[in-house]
This record gives sequence, structure tokens and C-alpha cells, in this order.
Amino acid sequence: EAGVAQSPRYKIIEKRQSVAFWCNPISGHATLYWYQQILGQGPKLLIQFQNNGVVDDSQLPKDRFSAERLKGVDSTLKIQPAKLEDSAVYLCASRGQRGSTGELFFGEGSRLTVL
Amino acid sequence: AQSVTQLDSQVPVFEEAPVELRCNYSSSVSVYLFWYVQYPNQGLQLLLKYLSGSTLVKGINGFEAEFNKSQTSFHLRKPSVHISDTAEYFCAGGTSYGKLTFGQGTILTVHP
Repeated sequence: EAGVAQSPRYKIIEKRQSVAFWCNPISGHATLYWYQQILGQGPKLLIQFQNNGVVDDSQLPKDRFSAERLKGVDSTLKIQPAKLEDSAVYLCASRGQRGSTGELFFGEGSRLTVL
Repeated sequence: AQSVTQLDSQVPVFEEAPVELRCNYSSSVSVYLFWYVQYPNQGLQLLLKYLSGSTLVKGINGFEAEFNKSQTSFHLRKPSVHISDTAEYFCAGGTSYGKLTFGQGTILTVHP
């Protein structure tokens, strides 16, 4: 079974530029998450989708971050314009089981460096 | 507020020694608890999870954790560590709608 795919793995941009990250979850997984992991910290949830609907985006900085999952499968996370403090690893995860008990499967992450 | 606290940011240990990584959760976190491991430049991999039933949970790679409701703890243990266990470990609590709240992480370094 293929895992969660993310691209690009690494991206370096200058502040005020834009960037987009792509995620393809495990086939059949309805729930998709984007987490931000800043160096030295635990992952922080940015947004959670159930199929193509948003369940939780309370910690997404909506003035610069946006995410979509148009067909309920793959997802794109965009940052525009980027700030220095956006330097982090962006992790995508998916879950196949409804509710709180199922395991999250994570991709390898997209590492963003903002100069 | 829902929170998960890992009490040690770094734990150095010698090979073949036992280790315990400590985790406490707030009572407002749903009692679905997880430990994940992250190797350098990789995503998070599930070690074990507690959903219900026996308070002692066994996971992969010889790790186990004990759920303690009275102390709101979910400490991770291994009786004898290997060099290959060097990684960062995250404790997480499941919340409503399936969101996981993560602790700050504990870097385990196993020395020869």
C-alpha cells in the first residue's frame, strides 16, 4: 500500500514570495491533515479536511495561508506571501477511520526555508 | 485547553540501558493517546496507541507505554535501547473530530 506522498521535499524562497505544497493521501482515506512543525517543536495542526470539507482551520493564518482539497483526494497548501517565521516542515497526514481513535499516517514532509 | 506535555526535551542514555520518556496530558484531552517516532528527515511513524482496555500497551521495536489515569500520564519505556533508537519521540492525544495534539518532543540519544 502506497503511503502519503508529499512534494516538494525541500523548498527555499525569499520572504514575500509564494510557495505551494502538494499532498496525496493514502487511497481511500477521507480525512486529511496539514501540520506545521517548527524546529524544536511538536507538530501543530493547520487544517483538517473530511473529504473536501474543512473540519478545523482554527490555527491556520488565513491572511497568508490557504488550503484546498477540491475532489476530496489530494490537497494543496499555499503560503502567500511567506514570512521568515514560516520556515518549518509541513507535514501531511491522512486517516482512514472516522472519529478519534484511528492512527494518522504521515508523509515525509516538505521542508520550507524562508530567507 | 487541550494539551500534551513531554517533560524532557532531551534524554541521553547508553546502549542496552533502560529508558523512560515522560508524557502528561490534560484531562480535557480525549483519552486516546499515541506515541510517534521521527527519524531525521522523515515523517512520523506510529510506535503504539492506547484506546481502551489494558493500561499497558506494547508497540513496535520493543517499546511499551503505561496509561495512568490518576496521574494523567502515558510514559514510554524500553528495557534495553539500541543505537538505532536514536530519534525524536512525540506523545500525542486524540481530540474530538480526530485531531491529534502533540507534545513538544523528546530527543533520545543512545550512546555506545
